[in-house]
Amino acid sequence: DTGVSQNPRHKITKRGQNVTFRCDPISEHNRLYWYRQTLGQGPEFLTYFQNEAQLEKSRLLSDRFSAERPKGSFSTLEIQRTEQGDSAMYLCASSPRQTTNEKLFFGSGTQLSVL
Amino acid sequence: DAKTTQPTSMDCAEGRAANLPCNHSTISGNEYVYWYRQIHSQGPQYIIHGLKNNETNEMASLIITEDRKSSTLILPHATLRDTAVYYCIVRVDFGNEKLTFGTGTRLTIIP
Repeated sequence: DTGVSQNPRHKITKRGQNVTFRCDPISEHNRLYWYRQTLGQGPEFLTYFQNEAQLEKSRLLSDRFSAERPKGSFSTLEIQRTEQGDSAMYLCASSPRQTTNEKLFFGSGTQLSVL
Repeated sequence: DAKTTQPTSMDCAEGRAANLPCNHSTISGNEYVYWYRQIHSQGPQYIIHGLKNNETNEMASLIITEDRKSSTLILPHATLRDTAVYYCIVRVDFGNEKLTFGTGTRLTIIP
């Protein structure tokens, strides 16, 4: 399967611990997005990369959150000092950069539970 | 601020056409209408998009009113696998504008 891959699928952690998620986009897709989704809501934008450059960050992305995309390939999202409010599904999406008709391809997400 | 309005939920009988409405009365001339769906425990999936002409692909048809203030996604022969949350999104189709999701319509296909 050559879709967007996210690991782990599920993560349970205790409040105050740090967690890191990984996203492997579709090969040669140079845009990569992170979204967060809570129960009953649509996905909320967190940040996105054009190759290795992080071009935009949402106000939702507090200073406890950091995302990287070294070498413009896979990406990691780290949450430091987790809080119960961080419990959510974290979705990654990638797309080939096009001037029009941009379609995002999403992974199946990482479900984070903070106890 | 929400740019689209969708019903919270809808039911449709299996084998019938599912018609999902979306209102986007403040849409700008350069904004496209996109539809994504999200099946339980999966990430959203692109379905279709259009500017002002009706569009059809292997998954669905998109009908956009002439004034572009509303649109309808049509799944011609709904199956149980079409049970999902359907998101209607308006978006400028160039540059760095991101997809902004609302709460969507939860479509349930009834056997």
